[in-house]
Amino acid sequence: SQQGEEDPQALSIQEGENATMNCSYKTSINNLQWYRQNSGRGLVHLILIRSNEREKHSGRLRVTLDTSKKSSSLLITASRAADTASYFCATDVGGKLIFGQGTELSVKP
Amino acid sequence: DAGVTQSPTHLIKTRGQQVTLRCSPKSGHDTVSWYQQALGQGPQFIFQYYEEEERQRGNFPDRFSGHQFPNYSSELNVNALLLGDSALYLCASSRSGGDTQYFGPGTRLTVL
Repeated sequence: SQQGEEDPQALSIQEGENATMNCSYKTSINNLQWYRQNSGRGLVHLILIRSNEREKHSGRLRVTLDTSKKSSSLLITASRAADTASYFCATDVGGKLIFGQGTELSVKP
Repeated sequence: DAGVTQSPTHLIKTRGQQVTLRCSPKSGHDTVSWYQQALGQGPQFIFQYYEEEERQRGNFPDRFSGHQFPNYSSELNVNALLLGDSALYLCASSRSGGDTQYFGPGTRLTVL
């Protein structure tokens, strides 16, 4: 079963703009991870945030986690055409990842 | 340093047949997890292997089985294939006690 709900399902922006994706989940977690997937290929790990962390940065990525609201957000700043992909949040529940349905991001040049 | 590898890349089978998919984990990793991703959906956890034993299992029927070898590589077997088994099968590896799972490129299975 899918634990995560992602919002929006699809997002279309211009190059240079910021993209924000949100994820909500239902149960207690060890950590939450964000992955990128290009055209139905393998998943690329982007960033992990632990349950005792509130915010984390990696390059142009910023992730927040609110365990009281069971939600997370991924911000991609200064987006590029190469950022076009599907983005998934995954919650780590006892070592197994439970994924949302993903946000399809399209960045137009 | 090679990442997670999977074979084959694509596979076409007919209903009722059996299939075996293979995965080699990232160097230094001892835990392998398998996921099924239907078109337009997020991946769903099938099972996880550690020390050659199934450690956890998701909500998949017994037709799905697996194996882990002493070198930590793993196989996923699916018996009595159904049309609904058509999907991208992803393997992920991690270190025991580690947080991050690294995914392979996947095997695209089509059942006709």
